[in-house]
Amino acid sequence: QVQLVESGGGVVQPGRSLRLSCAASGFTFSRYGMHWVRQAPGKGLEWVAVIWDDGRNKYYADSVKGRFTISRDNSKNTLYLQMNSLRAEDTAVYYCARDGDGSEHYFDCWGQGTQVTVSS
Amino acid sequence: SYELTQPPSVSVSPGQTATITCSGDALPKKYAFWYQQKSGQAPVLVIFEDSKRPSGIPQRFSGSSSGTMATLTISGARVEDEADYYCYSADSSGNHRGVFGGGTKLTVL
Repeated sequence: QVQLVESGGGVVQPGRSLRLSCAASGFTFSRYGMHWVRQAPGKGLEWVAVIWDDGRNKYYADSVKGRFTISRDNSKNTLYLQMNSLRAEDTAVYYCARDGDGSEHYFDCWGQGTQVTVSS
Repeated sequence: SYELTQPPSVSVSPGQTATITCSGDALPKKYAFWYQQKSGQAPVLVIFEDSKRPSGIPQRFSGSSSGTMATLTISGARVEDEADYYCYSADSSGNHRGVFGGGTKLTVL
């Protein structure tokens, strides 16, 4: 069965960096686009970034563009999110999600999430 | 920036039909997707491409879309359907970005 397991979250000071990982199993990782979605405490869902199956194309939400970088290693079945210049408003649970097999982007499977807290 | 609008809350009694709406200017051109999120859990896809139901999702969940409004209907709502529901759609500008609605808290009691 499809499994996505995020890791790398924690408490970090404002301005510092953190890298999240998402280990995928149960499907052919290299055939699917992947996303990061986040949820601030008590708030709704926010799409963060998407990466194509081959890693060539990447798109970001305005709120993270220029600070976050999505990447993947298909040989390791792993998705990454490099987060730089972190701000308090980046505090959230970060989910990785698989892109659905359709003409438009959506999320058909989700991990359980990893908590990121930005605080001094 | 593109927005999707949902009612903050909907309340029904068990066995009644729950209807959750999602409005957005791009919905005539873009699909709507619906996610269920129970407390402390990751979201789950319940409807994709306006009206399709993934395997394993009960038949009481259905979706439709007309004009600028998409609708999630839960026929014969059960207590276990109590959750937050989010609609999602792609931005129609072609920038490959997506947006979620603000979420609707469904109470079944």
